[in-house]
Amino acid sequence: QKEVEQDPGPLSVPEGAIVSLNCTYSNSAFQYFMWYRQYSRKGPELLMYTYSSGNKEDGRFTAQVDKSSKYISLFIRDSQPSDSATYLCARVRIQGAQKLVFGQGTRLTINP
Amino acid sequence: SQTIHQWPATLVQPVGSPLSLECTVEGTSNPNLYWYRQAAGRGLQLLFYSIGIDQISSEVPQNLSASRPQDRQFILSSKKLLLSDSGFYLCAWSAGGSYSTQPQHFGDGTRLSIL
Repeated sequence: QKEVEQDPGPLSVPEGAIVSLNCTYSNSAFQYFMWYRQYSRKGPELLMYTYSSGNKEDGRFTAQVDKSSKYISLFIRDSQPSDSATYLCARVRIQGAQKLVFGQGTRLTINP
Repeated sequence: SQTIHQWPATLVQPVGSPLSLECTVEGTSNPNLYWYRQAAGRGLQLLFYSIGIDQISSEVPQNLSASRPQDRQFILSSKKLLLSDSGFYLCAWSAGGSYSTQPQHFGDGTRLSIL
């Protein structure tokens, strides 16, 4: 079983829709999680960084962690065509240095 | 503010040739530095990380090596490239310290094609 699993999509939604992106993880020891957005031929860009359970909101983005079900989610409200990108979730493990283990990434397209 | 630079952006190399990819970070000192590889349609795989000059750790056995000759410079190398070394190579940095929980920030990568 992969440490972090993410549906690769592709996911296509109309502009203005609420988008839900999800990941599951296998090790309950994980405490920190990150969401990155990656445009084509670019490096990942940090969107959200969460610790422990609950919600964290930043503008149109909300990250949610449910430790009981080992489930992390990213919600995008009022989606825009500029949100079209690949979204990567990652869990953080501290072992000598910070190590990220990424999911496969979900490719999202917002249609005008 | 901190910035990270990677070069070249694109590279085409024949099998068996050497490789050197460079990454530099500006605006911070003693960062943690990382090399990742991203295969087509897949997530990022951590290759090397460094918490200080000449302190390099390898995550997976492979045909590649890394060096950190200066505090903010990280180099990925190979003596003889294999076809399987093709991919998108990304450098990242985070605020330093062995147990730093600060997020990682990525450069724009080098797309490496092996012919």
